[in-house]
Amino acid sequence: QQQVKQSPQSLIVQKGGISIINCAYENTAFDYFPWYQQFPGKGPALLIAIRPDVSEKKEGRFTISFNKSAKQFSLHIMDSQPGDSATYFCAASNRGGGADGLTFGKGTHLIIQP
Amino acid sequence: DAGVIQSPRHEVTEMGQEVTLRCKPISGHDYLFWYRQTMMRGLELLIYFNNNVPIDDSGMPEDRFSAKMPNASFSTLKIQPSEPRDSAVYFCASSLVAVLGTEAFFGQGTRLTVV
Repeated sequence: QQQVKQSPQSLIVQKGGISIINCAYENTAFDYFPWYQQFPGKGPALLIAIRPDVSEKKEGRFTISFNKSAKQFSLHIMDSQPGDSATYFCAASNRGGGADGLTFGKGTHLIIQP
Repeated sequence: DAGVIQSPRHEVTEMGQEVTLRCKPISGHDYLFWYRQTMMRGLELLIYFNNNVPIDDSGMPEDRFSAKMPNASFSTLKIQPSEPRDSAVYFCASSLVAVLGTEAFFGQGTRLTVV
């Protein structure tokens, strides 16, 4: 059973455009929702994260929007740049923020065209 | 700190052979995770440790897989005997429990190919 569903699988955006990646979860006990960024040949690295007590979190060009009632959250990349080309994973965890294993979405391969 | 260190970076082995993957977590981190990444299944949690003790190994696919953490600075993931379907990138990650959330720091992974 896939607990975190991510879409789209791949995405091509023109430089300067907005990239949007969506995730939906099933487990209402999840209370921590990070996004990870992975470049080829590297491990995933934390990009930005949100807790369900807020509806939006912004860090630079990256914004997470969170809809608790719909059990959905999304990543928006404003003014997308070629350097943003990577695979993006949404994830979720529960148990009060303890470091139990993250459940990951299957990833979105993002390409920013110059 | 050099981050999470995994070895080897690449491993090619023949079916039936034993494979051992190694991980050195970030000093001071008390959680260690092993993940497997494939195109079909994405990132799957195999097992995780807290203070060197295995907490949840429900993601370990079969008895052929085993993991140990003999001390706070070293962990191994062993596959015996290996099969072609075990081919994947295996990641080790470590984290420190924090109030606001938990950032898991990943190593660069071991790309395993079983022929």
